[in-house]
Parts: sequence; structure tokens; C-alpha cells
Amino acid sequence: NAGVTQTPKFQVLKTGQSMTLQCAQDMNHNSMYWYRQDPGMGLRLIYYSASEGTTDKGEVPNGYNVSRLNKREFSLRLESAAPSQTSVYFCASRGLTGTSGRRNTGELFFGEGSRLTVL
Amino acid sequence: RKEVEQDPGPFNVPEGATVAFNCTYSNSASQSFFWYRQDCRKEPKLLMSVYSSGNEDGRFTAQLNRASQYISLLIRDSKLSDSATYLCVGRNYGGSQGNLIFGKGTKLSVKP
Repeated sequence: NAGVTQTPKFQVLKTGQSMTLQCAQDMNHNSMYWYRQDPGMGLRLIYYSASEGTTDKGEVPNGYNVSRLNKREFSLRLESAAPSQTSVYFCASRGLTGTSGRRNTGELFFGEGSRLTVL
Repeated sequence: RKEVEQDPGPFNVPEGATVAFNCTYSNSASQSFFWYRQDCRKEPKLLMSVYSSGNEDGRFTAQLNRASQYISLLIRDSKLSDSATYLCVGRNYGGSQGNLIFGKGTKLSVKP
């Protein structure tokens, strides 16, 4: 049972380079999210997608773009990486029920994270 | 002021101790709350939901006080394996944040 899979797990970029973080979920969830986590800042929402074909900005969208390719996949792109984008990135998904079976719990299922360093 | 606030800790407690964390929220429209657990260098995982009537899951008890706008998590008989960061999460309906607002987390370290 894969859950949420994101790649790559580690990446080092030079300033100005571009890259795409890939995320896929196999739980048939409608909603998918991209967060970044920095020391002392907690989890901050970058973009989210409530359903296939829709995307919305979160708290910190500048410097990022997203694509909801289909129901399973939600990618995050850095067009011109900056040192301020050094962070741990988490993809997450949410369905109508959680692991308890309760409906609309708000439970997020996270990928294992992608550690990005921009030099 | 951030919508969900937590004491970052760390809380250093001996095995077997009882420890409690509080989390305050500023948006009175917040509908649901959750506690997530995050181990070092791992992804967050749902620990438990917080219901208005309070709920208990083994050694863990979560309470919601809407009048004072805070959520609590009580851990009894702490184990070494409870060492982690505990994230308080509020869920609002509507808004532009994908509905879920995370606190910055409270770090717990249980010592032998």
C-alpha cells in the first residue's frame, strides 16, 4: 500500500536552476497539497488542489507553480530556484474518510518528504 | 498573530510522567481540530482528532475548549517512543488555505 509517493527524496540545485517535484497518491483522494517545512516556521501551504483540474494558492506560493496532471498526480515546479527555497517539501492528500473510517475527518496523508538544497 | 499557536517546548519529561500540551486558536470559526505527530526527519501523521466532547485513545486524551479557544493533548505514562513533535491543526471551512492550519509544533523528549 504505497499511499503518497514523492520524488526525489533529496536534491541539490544551484541558484537559477529549475526542477519539478513529483507526487502521486493511490488512495483515490480528491484533494492534494504541497507544503514546505522550515525550522521554526512549521508547515506552510504552498499550493493545493481541491480536485482534478483545479489549483489554488496557499500561504507561500511565490516562486512555485503546480500542475494537477490527473487525479493521482500533483507536481510542484521551481522555475528558477533561490536559496530561500531550501526546505523540506511535503506532498499530502486528503479523501472523504480517514483511516478510522469516519467521514470527512480532515486527515492528511503525507509523503516522506523531499529535501531540497539550493546553493 | 498566527491562527494556531503552540508552545514550541521542548518538554523534557521522564518515562512514566504525564505531560500536557495546549494549543490556542484565534479563528472562532474553526470547525475541527486534530493532533498530528511528527518524528524527527519524518512526515507528519495523524495522532487523533479532537471532538467537542473530548476523546481518549489509550494513553492519549484530547480536549477542546471552544469558550477559551484552546485544544489540549494529555499523554499519560509517557514512553520513550512518545518522543516527537506534536502538531496542532485547525480546520476552517472556506478561505484560501486549503482549510487546514498547522501550528508550529511542540517538541516532546521522554528520557529514561
